[in-house]
Amino acid sequence: SQQGEEDPQALSIQEGENATMNCSYKTSINNLQWYRQNSGRGLVHLILIRSNEREKHSGRLRVTLDTSKKSSSLLITASRAADTASYFCATDRNRDDKIIFGKGTRLHILP
Amino acid sequence: GAGVSQSPSNKVTEKGKDVELRCDPISGHTALYWYRQSLGQGLEFLIYFQGNSAPDKSGLPSDRFSAERTGGSVSTLTIQRTQQEDSAVYLCASSLVRAETQYFGPGTRLLVL
Repeated sequence: SQQGEEDPQALSIQEGENATMNCSYKTSINNLQWYRQNSGRGLVHLILIRSNEREKHSGRLRVTLDTSKKSSSLLITASRAADTASYFCATDRNRDDKIIFGKGTRLHILP
Repeated sequence: GAGVSQSPSNKVTEKGKDVELRCDPISGHTALYWYRQSLGQGLEFLIYFQGNSAPDKSGLPSDRFSAERTGGSVSTLTIQRTQQEDSAVYLCASSLVRAETQYFGPGTRLLVL
């Protein structure tokens, strides 16, 4: 069953604007991670946030986690053309050993 | 250091044939994962190894799929009697310990004709 669901499915913004993507999940988690995938390539880890954390920053990335709403958001500030990619959230469920990825948000940065 | 490698990078096979996909994780990583990604879709969790053991095999799509890991290192995903719906990119990842940052390989693109 699908654990993580990202929205929107696709997002197009102008270069320099901020991009926000959301992830919702269904069951309790130990941690949540965000990954980026450039077209046809492997995934790259962006950030990990644990269930007892509410916000983390890494460069232009800001991730929030609301365990009461079972949701997370990824904010990319001052977007660049190189940020064009698909972004996935992945949850580590605390009821089993599975890591569950969502279907992703396709982000397109317009010049 | 070297990242996660997978071989072959591409595999075309005929329906009904068996295929073996290989993953070489980062040295010292105890956890290893296999995922499947269909075109334009998210990643489907297949199996996770802690050392040489797979605690939960319920993510494997059918009994035609099997996986093993030896020496706490290399892993092989085997698909027997391949079907057209098995066509996908198979991704392997490893992490130092379970559920921490995963490092992904480039994937094996499987096409079943």
